[in-house]
Amino acid sequence: GAVVSQHPSWVICKSGTSVKIECRSLDFQATTMFWYRQFPKQSLMLMATSNEGSKATYEQGVEKDKFLINHASLTLSTLTVTSAHPEDSSFYICSARYSAGGYYEQYFGPGTRLTVT
Amino acid sequence: SQELEQSPQSLIVQEGKNLTINCTSSKTLYGLYWYKQKYGEGLIFLMMLQKGGEEKSHEKITAKLDEKKQQSSLHITASQPSHAGIYLCGADLSGANSKLTFGKGITLSVRP
Repeated sequence: GAVVSQHPSWVICKSGTSVKIECRSLDFQATTMFWYRQFPKQSLMLMATSNEGSKATYEQGVEKDKFLINHASLTLSTLTVTSAHPEDSSFYICSARYSAGGYYEQYFGPGTRLTVT
Repeated sequence: SQELEQSPQSLIVQEGKNLTINCTSSKTLYGLYWYKQKYGEGLIFLMMLQKGGEEKSHEKITAKLDEKKQQSSLHITASQPSHAGIYLCGADLSGANSKLTFGKGITLSVRP
C-alpha cells in the first residue's frame, strides 16, 4: 500500500511556543491531505482538509489562525500549532488521498504525539 | 448522535475463534473504509468498499457492504493475537468524495 510519513513522531514544547508537524506521501502524489486529532479512546476528529496550492478548508470549531496548514507540494503538507497551550496536547494524525482508478483510498501517517507543558 | 455506529464497542475472543464486527450508518455509505489502529499509532488501511453487495478479502479478513449500502461487516477467521487492535470504519457520507467520517472504533483483544 501507499506510505505516508509524519515528523516528528512525538514532541514536547512549552506553552506559548509553536510546533510544526510534517506529513509526506512517500510513494505517491496527493492533491488532498487531511489533518485529524485524536483524544485517548476517542475516534478521529477531522480538523481540516489540505489541498495542494490552495487554502485549507477547516472544520467548524477549528481555529484556522491557531492551526496553520500549508500544502506546499503534492507530497508535503504541514500543520503548525501556534502559541500552543496544554489543551492542544493530543495525538495528531495526517492522511493522504490516493487516486486508484476512479475511486479514492486514504492512507494515514503514524501520528505525532504533542505534549504542551 | 454518532453518524457511524460500530458494534460491539469491544470484543475479547479466544485465539482461533471467528468474529464479526459491524459498522452501521443512518445514511448511504458512498465509500466505506476499514482501518486497524494500535493504540498511539497511525491507522493501517485494510479495505475499501464502494458498491452495494461488494465483498473483499485479505488474508483472514473479509469485509462486506450490504446491498442497501448502510452497513458493513468485518469478519476475521481463526483469529490470532496479531489481529488485536482497534478497528475503525470510515465513510464518505456525502457522495462528494470530500472527507471521511469515522466511527468510535472497536477494541479487539485476542487471548492466546
